[in-house]
Amino acid sequence: DTAVSQTPKYLVTQMGNDKSIKCEQNLGHDTMYWYKQDSKKFLKIMFSYNNKELIINETVPNRFSPKSPDKAHLNLHINSLELGDSAVYFCASSHLAGVSYEQYFGPGTRLTVT
Amino acid sequence: GNSVTQMEGPVTLSEEAFLTINCTYTATGYPSLFWYVQYPGEGLQLLLKATKADDKGSNKGFEATYRKETTSFHLEKGSVQVSDSAVYFCALSSLDTGRRALTFGSGTRLQVQP
Repeated sequence: DTAVSQTPKYLVTQMGNDKSIKCEQNLGHDTMYWYKQDSKKFLKIMFSYNNKELIINETVPNRFSPKSPDKAHLNLHINSLELGDSAVYFCASSHLAGVSYEQYFGPGTRLTVT
Repeated sequence: GNSVTQMEGPVTLSEEAFLTINCTYTATGYPSLFWYVQYPGEGLQLLLKATKADDKGSNKGFEATYRKETTSFHLEKGSVQVSDSAVYFCALSSLDTGRRALTFGSGTRLQVQP
């Protein structure tokens, strides 16, 4: 059973297109996250939702729009893709509070913009 | 703001050598500290964690101790194997202002040679 899953695993598209990445977790967590990993492996938080409420919104172009239909799902929609958006995008989930709040990561979506 | 500094890699060791990867942090309040590992082509896996000063996290022969006086969380393993070759990330999270997002170091690539 996959704890945090993402689709698609690979995404190749052209500049200017709009694309979405989907994430689902079956761990019963109340908080989900999107991270971006650049070509140098540096990881940075983009967004976080807690029980469908946006709680973290870092300095990210407004072409990126997250949506959380329920606490088990978090999607990322990207409009007007640019070359610089090429990266690996990771979804993660955790409890927001309590004793155990480590984050569990999905396998990543490698986005290549040509 | 929060930050994590890791030693630059790659670190190249022979099998059965002793491993240390240095990690220091800057944070407000009392952060929790984590080591994540990323094997080639995969997502991040939690390796170990520590939630308060003097805690020692351990897993799969790896250890790290939360040192508040030196703001450090160095990763150690007594005898590395070829299968330990991966990128290792030190990270922290803080509940300050309700955030739980992870702040990552830049990652350290470990290469273990037979």
